[in-house]
Amino acid sequence: DAGVTQSPTHLIKTRGQQVTLRCSPISGHKSVSWYQQVLGQGPQFIFQYYEKEERGRGNFPDRFSARQFPNYSSELNVNALLLGDSALYLCASTGQGALTGELFFGEGSRLTVL
Amino acid sequence: QQQVKQSPQSLIVQKGGISIINCAYENTAFDYFPWYQQFPGKGPALLIAIRPDVSEKKEGRFTISFNKSAKQFSLHIMDSQPGDSATYFCAASPVYNNNDMRFGAGTRLTVKP
Repeated sequence: DAGVTQSPTHLIKTRGQQVTLRCSPISGHKSVSWYQQVLGQGPQFIFQYYEKEERGRGNFPDRFSARQFPNYSSELNVNALLLGDSALYLCASTGQGALTGELFFGEGSRLTVL
Repeated sequence: QQQVKQSPQSLIVQKGGISIINCAYENTAFDYFPWYQQFPGKGPALLIAIRPDVSEKKEGRFTISFNKSAKQFSLHIMDSQPGDSATYFCAASPVYNNNDMRFGAGTRLTVKP
């Protein structure tokens, strides 16, 4: 069975540009969460979507936005990129309720901002 | 924003030895304490988790010890193997709210053959 898949795996952008990252959850999972993992640190919660509705938002600026589609896949958008946005962006899905259940992480999208 | 402090940052253990990673938390609302294992180029994967109603949980070579009064918990890896070499993250959250999960900064474990 396919796990959580993310694309692209690596990308390089310049300051001020915009980026869109994509995530497909495990089949049957309706909840998708996004995390930012800066080098040398643990993941930090950005957003959670369940049944296409935002159910949680971490302490990130409005430059970060996300959405979930009817097939439960999700996109994370970051506008006006800053050097500090360079990180591994992880998507996780859960198979239980909106807020509970084991988090299954994808391999991430590594974003480098120059 | 970090509310979970993890130590050490890196750890080198000989094959067959015991690896011990420690974490401390601040928020008394936390009542779910998972440990994640992350290999290079991969996302974190749940290794083992504990609730505060027990002081210890063991799964194979991995054991979590939990001290509620001290707000500390630790991961013990018995008979450490080279294949255990990875980065380990402790985390904490209210059990009914994954959105409030806070991760430690991680421990890079190297097990030498």
